[in-house]
Amino acid sequence: DGGITQSPKYLFRKEGQNVTLSCEQNLNHDAMYWYRQDPGQGLRLIYYSQIVNDFQKGDIAEGYSVSREKKESFPLTVTSAQKNPTAFYLCASSIANSNQPQHFGDGTRLSIL
Amino acid sequence: QKEVEQNSGPLSVPEGAIASLNCTYSDRGSQSFFWYRQYSGKSPELIMFIYSNGDKEDGRFTAQLNKASQYVSLLIRDSQPSDSATYLCAVKRADSWGKLQFGAGTQVVVTP
Repeated sequence: DGGITQSPKYLFRKEGQNVTLSCEQNLNHDAMYWYRQDPGQGLRLIYYSQIVNDFQKGDIAEGYSVSREKKESFPLTVTSAQKNPTAFYLCASSIANSNQPQHFGDGTRLSIL
Repeated sequence: QKEVEQNSGPLSVPEGAIASLNCTYSDRGSQSFFWYRQYSGKSPELIMFIYSNGDKEDGRFTAQLNKASQYVSLLIRDSQPSDSATYLCAVKRADSWGKLQFGAGTQVVVTP
């Protein structure tokens, strides 16, 4: 079945540590996105990518980094510069340059130890 | 003013009744509108999308779009306890190749 796989489901970060969240899709979508969701709030865009080897900052990119070396993969690194990383992280993908909807993975819940 | 606004709720609906959710947006150039359902602790799942003024029906769900008044609504007929969730409204602006702006969501509670 086609879909978006995020791993791990739960992740704990120590102070000063960088952690990387994985996102893989087999929907053949060009566009991929990372969102952050805090309790009781909507989704805020961290980074997005329209095509391999290209990505743009979203609304809250500070303290995060991404790469897009393969069409299927869009990993997100939460760096030590992100002082409040505890949140639910969602990866999505869609057909680029279209009105088609975004589809989401199951998410990664990140907490500080 | 937020770009996409929703009443946070909770919206309490008796089982079998109609749930009516509203979403307003600020950008007149917005062209695509999406409703996602999110159960507690889970990721959002797409329910419906609508592009043109008027109504669009899919099973028990109806999306209504009024671009002149800048609102989109979602009706859930014959509400079931399994409809209890947070419903997110998302809007794609005309100048955005794919980026969506999300509202904070409306929590719906269907009571037996």
